[in-house]
Amino acid sequence: GAGVSQSPRYKVAKRGQDVALRCDPISGHVSLFWYQQALGQGPEFLTYFQNEAQLDKSGLPSDRFFAERPEGSVSTLKIQRTQQEDSAVYLCASSPRPGTGNTEAFFGQGTRLTVV
Amino acid sequence: GNSVTQMEGPVTLSEEAFLTINCTYTATGYPSLFWYVQYPGEGLQLLLKATKADDKGSNKGFEATYRKETTSFHLEKGSVQVSDSAVYFCALSRAGDSWGKLQFGAGTQVVVTP
Repeated sequence: GAGVSQSPRYKVAKRGQDVALRCDPISGHVSLFWYQQALGQGPEFLTYFQNEAQLDKSGLPSDRFFAERPEGSVSTLKIQRTQQEDSAVYLCASSPRPGTGNTEAFFGQGTRLTVV
Repeated sequence: GNSVTQMEGPVTLSEEAFLTINCTYTATGYPSLFWYVQYPGEGLQLLLKATKADDKGSNKGFEATYRKETTSFHLEKGSVQVSDSAVYFCALSRAGDSWGKLQFGAGTQVVVTP
């Protein structure tokens, strides 16, 4: 498809497990963003990549959260030792330009993580 | 810091009614302002935007005007349809930031009945 693709769509993890969430951005898009959306809330920014470089990780809530984009395309958000408060929808977005390029970001449908 | 406050939902109204969703923001400088929409089962989509004071964004019959003096960006539509039922998010991007780095409000669910 032509849009941002995220997998899995749903993930249930036992508390303490590690999880990995995948994002396939739109082909050729330079910038990639991760967001966390708790139930009934708006998305909260987590981190930003320009190609393979992680330029902003100011929103990552703890050192249990780690994101990578090693080849500048697919990105993985990893959460170690999951806790119940990590339960949320994780959104990925991509845009065609870097940095301050004023172009729309396109969002995927998200991965719903439930920690039990 | 920056913040976005929007009216709580759900907002329930009949087809062809007038819709207003209030949004106010706190930010330094001149942020860009956005309305995103999330239809059931779909991802967030950009509905409209405005990048400077007094700009009016419009799309699909929706409008919002960037009001610097009242720090507001209220969303309006003159005659809603059932297909407008969705969750609407107001958001801002700080001046100098990418439009992908957004501060969102909590969202307002809109339900339009036939």
